[in-house]
Amino acid sequence: AQSVTQPDIHITVSEGASLELRCNYSYGATPYLFWYVQSPGQGLQLLLKYFSGDTLVQGIKGFEAEFKRSQSSFNLRKPSVHWSDAAEYFCAVKTGANNLFFGTGTRLTVIP
Amino acid sequence: DAMVIQNPRYQVTQFGKPVTLSCSQTLNHNVMYWYQQKSSQAPKLLFHYYDKDFNNEADTPDNFQSRRPNTSFCFLDIRSPGLGDAAMYLCATSRDITANEKLFFGSGTQLSVL
Repeated sequence: AQSVTQPDIHITVSEGASLELRCNYSYGATPYLFWYVQSPGQGLQLLLKYFSGDTLVQGIKGFEAEFKRSQSSFNLRKPSVHWSDAAEYFCAVKTGANNLFFGTGTRLTVIP
Repeated sequence: DAMVIQNPRYQVTQFGKPVTLSCSQTLNHNVMYWYQQKSSQAPKLLFHYYDKDFNNEADTPDNFQSRRPNTSFCFLDIRSPGLGDAAMYLCATSRDITANEKLFFGSGTQLSVL
């Protein structure tokens, strides 16, 4: 069965610092991978997705993620964090079925 | 412009009193989903409609029902809400059911049960 692990529950970074949020998945084949962001009390917004091809994908708001098959990882990165990036970030995997499985999320706090 | 609209934004109900949450979409998507997200947890799929075909997740309690009267609207009915049903309920749509289809989420309805 597929699963998604986000090992960091909460991360705090200074504004302007770089960011990396970790995501590991478990699935027999190459899954479809997504990162979503959720601001407090809001729905989820898609940041980026990976289906195939170039393993480094660019998303909105300056985010990027790299798919590493050997590590079963899909980590999210941003070179310089802005205060408005403070939110909850969810990694998700979709397989041949219709369900989007979410990780438990990483809460990002940005300090001035 | 909002594409997936959920009403109301906040809903308060009493223990055991039926409640209905609504979702509408302007995308003309075939698939509509309902997710439940409890505090500090990942969203969990309750069920989805592919057109008029209803698909229930195996572990969704019978207390939760859904209706989709037309392409644009989908409702979540909780027949007898318990305290454990307090959560954010997220509606989402996708054009089709294939794995590479992107989901579009509404802003959610935060349900409180008193």
